[in-house]
Amino acid sequence: KNQVEQSPQSLIILEGKNCTLQCNYTVSPFSNLRWYKQDTGRGPVSLTIMTFSENTKSNGRYTATLDADTKQSSLHITASQLSDSASYICVVSPADSNYQLIWGAGTKLIIKP
Amino acid sequence: DAGITQSPRYKITETGRQVTLMCHQTWSHSYMFWYRQDLGHGLRLIYYSAAADITDKGEVPDGYVVSRSKTENFPLTLESATRSQTSVYFCASRDRVGNTEAFFGQGTRLTVV
Repeated sequence: KNQVEQSPQSLIILEGKNCTLQCNYTVSPFSNLRWYKQDTGRGPVSLTIMTFSENTKSNGRYTATLDADTKQSSLHITASQLSDSASYICVVSPADSNYQLIWGAGTKLIIKP
Repeated sequence: DAGITQSPRYKITETGRQVTLMCHQTWSHSYMFWYRQDLGHGLRLIYYSAAADITDKGEVPDGYVVSRSKTENFPLTLESATRSQTSVYFCASRDRVGNTEAFFGQGTRLTVV
């Protein structure tokens, strides 16, 4: 069964610190993986997309990695800011569907001053 | 305003009542989706539409009805609301097959009492 598992479920860090969020998936065949950020009370917004051939991609202070062999991805946040407080959701697209997205449950990140 | 908008933002209804959630997008995206988001779960697909007059079930369609007579609108109707349908509902759109970035509305928080 296609699944996406994220860890940790929640994380609290101090402002200015770094953190890494994990995503493991069993989706096959694989097309791509996206990380979304969801602020409280808002819809998710895409941060980055990783395709099969990409290992690392950065978007400002966010760096995503993908290991397609082990089916793992991570999202590293550098020098965290209060505005980084949100849920971060890993989403995998199967290659055999035009519409399906497999959503993880998300990691709730809280940045404390 | 450009983008995707949902209405209402908040709704309280009684068990057994019919309620309709509205979704409107201004991009002329082909695909539109309805998801529900519950604590501890990833987003779960209720229904999706590939184009006007083309709709199909997602993973949790029971108790819901959709229509898409115009490309820009995709209303979701709960025929007879139940307490288990208390949730946050998100509408999303996507511009073409293969581009899996979904753009989300602000969400509708529905409470069934």
